[in-house]
Amino acid sequence: GQQLNQSPQSMFIQEGEDVSMNCTSSSIFNTWLWYKQDPGEGPVLLIALYKAGELTSNGRLTAQFGITRKDSFLNISASIPSDVGIYFCAGYSSGGGADGLTFGKGTHLIIQP
Amino acid sequence: GAVVSQHPSWVICKSGTSVKIECRSLDFQATTMFWYRQFPKQSLMLMATSNEGSKATYEQGVEKDKFLINHASLTLSTLTVTSAHPEDSSFYICSARSVTGDGRGHFGDGTRLSIL
Repeated sequence: GQQLNQSPQSMFIQEGEDVSMNCTSSSIFNTWLWYKQDPGEGPVLLIALYKAGELTSNGRLTAQFGITRKDSFLNISASIPSDVGIYFCAGYSSGGGADGLTFGKGTHLIIQP
Repeated sequence: GAVVSQHPSWVICKSGTSVKIECRSLDFQATTMFWYRQFPKQSLMLMATSNEGSKATYEQGVEKDKFLINHASLTLSTLTVTSAHPEDSSFYICSARSVTGDGRGHFGDGTRLSIL
């Protein structure tokens, strides 16, 4: 099946620093999604990307859909304490049935005071 | 918009009990709902895809007789964990896709299942 490699697995940063994480896939996706999950809650969609090369921002967050359609990155600028959580990339390919999302293993973001 | 409600949020029960989890799309119609399982500090793993009015499609390795899925309406899907055992303890999350089908999943807040 499809696999997503997400890195880094965890990040320990100082408040105010910029953050970058990425996902690569062994196969092509039509859609790349980035979610944030807080403990005990479901994932919340941050950014959705639908076209290869697309660069989309949501406040301090910026994400890009790679040209090859096999990768995506998420950047967070000027991190704040509420950015702490687990970030997941997810890929989706339409057609061939109503398949669920394929998730990366997550990036744990920890912000040190 | 696009609110998905999952109930209950936490269940603690004895081994051998069957547990039903509900997933409702509150303000949109969902032809497809997905059930995921997440173990501590791990990612979400798709268990099954539930289509309204038809049988669910299970991922490889997921026992369909163990995890019964019913999607009787465009706003409700249920997952029943039958004869639950401690190894079934996990965080179960549903996701609903609207009829517009743009690929995004709207997630519920999850159900934490603890089997004693």
